[in-house]
Amino acid sequence: AQKITQTQPGMFVQEKEAVTLDCTYDTSDPSYGLFWYKQPSSGEMIFLIYQGSYDQQNATEGRYSLNFQKARKSANLVISASQLGDSAMYFCAMRLTGGGNKLTFGTGTQLKVEL
Amino acid sequence: DTEVTQTPKHLVMGMTNKKSLKCEQHMGHRAMYWYKQKAKKPPELMFVYSYEKLSINESVPSRFSPECPNSSLLNLHLHALQPEDSALYLCASSQRDRGLGGHEKLFFGSGTQLSVL
Repeated sequence: AQKITQTQPGMFVQEKEAVTLDCTYDTSDPSYGLFWYKQPSSGEMIFLIYQGSYDQQNATEGRYSLNFQKARKSANLVISASQLGDSAMYFCAMRLTGGGNKLTFGTGTQLKVEL
Repeated sequence: DTEVTQTPKHLVMGMTNKKSLKCEQHMGHRAMYWYKQKAKKPPELMFVYSYEKLSINESVPSRFSPECPNSSLLNLHLHALQPEDSALYLCASSQRDRGLGGHEKLFFGSGTQLSVL
C-alpha cells in the first residue's frame, strides 16, 4: 500500500519570498505519479503540478516547481515569489500506474502568506 | 471557475431526512468521483464511476447511495445519516492526460458542505 507524509501542518512565509512544502512517499511500485493540489477556503481542490516516477527532470509550472528526489522518496513543492492568494491548504498526492483511479492524499500543509 | 458544478453548496439535514447531492461536468470526462472531507483533513475516496459503471466503492455505509444517470451527471443520495457524516463532499471528474504520463488529472468541484443534525 502507498503512503504520503506531509510533516508540516502549518507554514508561514513573507510575501514575495519562496517557500518549500515537504512531501515524502512510500511505495514499492516503480511506476507512479505524484501530484500537488491547492485547496483555498472556498473548498475547491486545484491541480498545481505533476511529477512522474520516470521523469528525469523536475516539473515546473509557473511559480510552482517540484523538487523530486526519487532515492529519498521526496517530492517537495517550491512556491516562488509568494503572493497573498497562495494562502491555502496544500495536499501532496500519489497514484500508482495501473492502480485504477485511486489518488492517495497526504495530510496537508496549511500555508499562510504574510505582508 | 470550476468546470465541475456541485449543488447545493450547503445542506443541513436531520437524521431522518432523505436528500441528494448533485454533480455535473461537461468536459467529456468518463470517470467521476465522490470524496468526503472532514475539516483540516485530506479528502477520502468514497466512490468512483468509470464509463457510468461503479468501479470503486471504498466500503462506504449503505446510507450513502451513488448514482450515475449519464456520463455528465453524478448524484449522491443520502438517507438516515449520522452527525458524524457532517463534512465537505467533493465531486471530481478526470480523464487520461498524456502530459501526465497517462495518469488522470482530477478536476474538483467546490463541494457541498453538509451538516447533519
